[in-house]
Amino acid sequence: NAGVTQTPKFQVLKTGQSMTLQCAQDMNHNSMYWYRQDPGMGLRLIYYSASEGTTDKGEVPNGYNVSRLNKREFSLRLESAAPSQTSVYFCASNLVGGRINEQYFGPGTRLTVT
Amino acid sequence: QKEVEQDPGPLSVPEGAIVSLNCTYSNSAFQYFMWYRQYSRKGPELLMYTYSSGNKEDGRFTAQVDKSSKYISLFIRDSQPSDSATYLCAMSDIPYGNKLVFGAGTILRVKS
Repeated sequence: NAGVTQTPKFQVLKTGQSMTLQCAQDMNHNSMYWYRQDPGMGLRLIYYSASEGTTDKGEVPNGYNVSRLNKREFSLRLESAAPSQTSVYFCASNLVGGRINEQYFGPGTRLTVT
Repeated sequence: QKEVEQDPGPLSVPEGAIVSLNCTYSNSAFQYFMWYRQYSRKGPELLMYTYSSGNKEDGRFTAQVDKSSKYISLFIRDSQPSDSATYLCAMSDIPYGNKLVFGAGTILRVKS
């Protein structure tokens, strides 16, 4: 049982390049989330997927797109990376209706945009 | 003004000290309160959760909520070097929430 896995662990992009961050969970959770974490800002929700086939914007969605590929996988795409998107990105999942608000987090992807 | 305020620290204490970590919030609709612990270069893990006002104890950890003051606390007794981490408070207005609001996190260092 691997929990929540994310790839890649590290990435350096040049401004204007695109990339997709991958996330998968093996806990049969229905909801999945993408956060970014910046110093002094805490975790901010980018997008979430309450269930397979649905996605919704969070607090900071501009510059990102997401795809809920199936129940297990939720990807985050940066179409044209900007230096302001330098951050640590975390994917999380939970079972809505399970233990109250316990979201399980992946190990994170450290992204630098130069 | 941020919806949840948390002093980022760092907070440095000697081993065995009692640690107090705090958050204030502005949204009176919040009813579900959590503390996550995040070790360096890892994802956050849920440490404690409480509903509404009151105290909850789990081993060396006590979570306290004062809704009248919009203030939550996490106390760590007999702190250990292994408690060194970032502690994030989080809160929600519904129990099975898709939207948690996080504080900025407090960096704690316990010196041996």
